[in-house]
Amino acid sequence: GEDVEQSLFLSVREGDSSVINCTYTDSSSTYLYWYKQEPGAGLQLLTYIFSNMDMKQDQRLTVLLNKKDKHLSLRIADTQTGDSAIYFCAPSGDNNDMRFGAGTRLTVKP
Amino acid sequence: EAGVAQSPRYKIIEKRQSVAFWCNPISGHATLYWYQQILGQGPKLLIQFQNNGVVDDSQLPKDRFSAERLKGVDSTLKIQPAKLEDSAVYLCASSLTPAVGQRYEQYFGPGTRLTVT
Repeated sequence: GEDVEQSLFLSVREGDSSVINCTYTDSSSTYLYWYKQEPGAGLQLLTYIFSNMDMKQDQRLTVLLNKKDKHLSLRIADTQTGDSAIYFCAPSGDNNDMRFGAGTRLTVKP
Repeated sequence: EAGVAQSPRYKIIEKRQSVAFWCNPISGHATLYWYQQILGQGPKLLIQFQNNGVVDDSQLPKDRFSAERLKGVDSTLKIQPAKLEDSAVYLCASSLTPAVGQRYEQYFGPGTRLTVT
């Protein structure tokens, strides 16, 4: 099966919270990243969490990590139309080797 | 600070032709990565360089793909001959060299979109 799994689509209304989920298989992942990709653009690092943490908050972004279940989530508070993009989960080992999920396409409706 | 530069941005070729992509990393970044992103999928690492040496090329299809970073700065990725399934966006990224337990962000270029017809 896939190393990193994400649901493909998420649609929310402007102002609501968005929650993007990710499951992974490699229990030795050290850092777990969230990237954002807008159409025609490269990947932009949003945030990351170290494997010995279970939560990290960064302005509107909250990352939750359940290491036992190998489950990672990204919550975006007060979602705006500018948040519409594809979001990738990417666990990484000690040598900076990232494994990307297929991405979740977030659509924010006005 | 200038970002990762890639060229060309777009390329259309016929199958069995050859193609080359160029990447200029951020100044001072010793580690350079090439990823392949097929439509609807996440990026897949093809090759990782540290300076001009290869760290990981386990997922590079070596019968048709080659990459070099002769002077430890710019890099080229070549496909010869191209197949239809090579249609993808090829992303280049660079970072400072990570040590065990350290984390350095990978900065991505805008990518080269390859269409093989």
